[in-house]
Amino acid sequence: GESVGLHLPTLSVQEGDNSIINCAYSNSASDYFIWYKQESGKGPQFIIDIRSNMDKRQGQRVTVLLNKTVKHLSLQIAATQPGDSAVYFCAENRYGGSQGNLIFGKGTKLSVKP
Amino acid sequence: EAGVTQSPTHLIKTRGQQATLRCSPISGHTSVYWYQQALGLGLQFLLWYDEGEERNRGNFPPRFSGRQFPNYSSELNVNALELEDSALYLCASSSRGLAGITGELFFGEGSRLTVL
Repeated sequence: GESVGLHLPTLSVQEGDNSIINCAYSNSASDYFIWYKQESGKGPQFIIDIRSNMDKRQGQRVTVLLNKTVKHLSLQIAATQPGDSAVYFCAENRYGGSQGNLIFGKGTKLSVKP
Repeated sequence: EAGVTQSPTHLIKTRGQQATLRCSPISGHTSVYWYQQALGLGLQFLLWYDEGEERNRGNFPPRFSGRQFPNYSSELNVNALELEDSALYLCASSSRGLAGITGELFFGEGSRLTVL
């Protein structure tokens, strides 16, 4: 069935290292992807997005890579900090008829060790 | 500027009862989305309202319903509560619907519903 999933449910990294969070999607018709960060007790917060006409997009300390050939999305966090500890969700915009909504993956928990 | 606000923060109900959750979007946002986040799971899309109309619905039974008011605030109703309805219910708003247009969703902090 259709799904947006993550390869690794948990990721533990050392402070200062780079983090890579992966996500697979199955709907080749999806053309918009977003990464969200959810800290404990809070709602998800937008990090970065990418359209399907792009392969890479950079933000502040974050980079999203999109590989449409293998339907894979990744979020790279440079110089990971303790404040980056959270659950990260990828989401894709799918179309149901003429209207869409975001479909979220299950999330990856990132733990940053000091 | 105030973000998305949800009430109540916590709600405890028993099986068979009804729950009503409320959401106020960011000022100027016309689209409101509802998601269910059960423990350890991702966000499951429930409902999308835009300009007072239901625009899309996720794979949930009819006892999950809602509405959007003229001021764009929204209400989610869950009837005949079941134990598995226990979850964090998140509301999000955007300045325009996602249909064919990129749009960042701004989430509230959620309403935690516990069904005993």
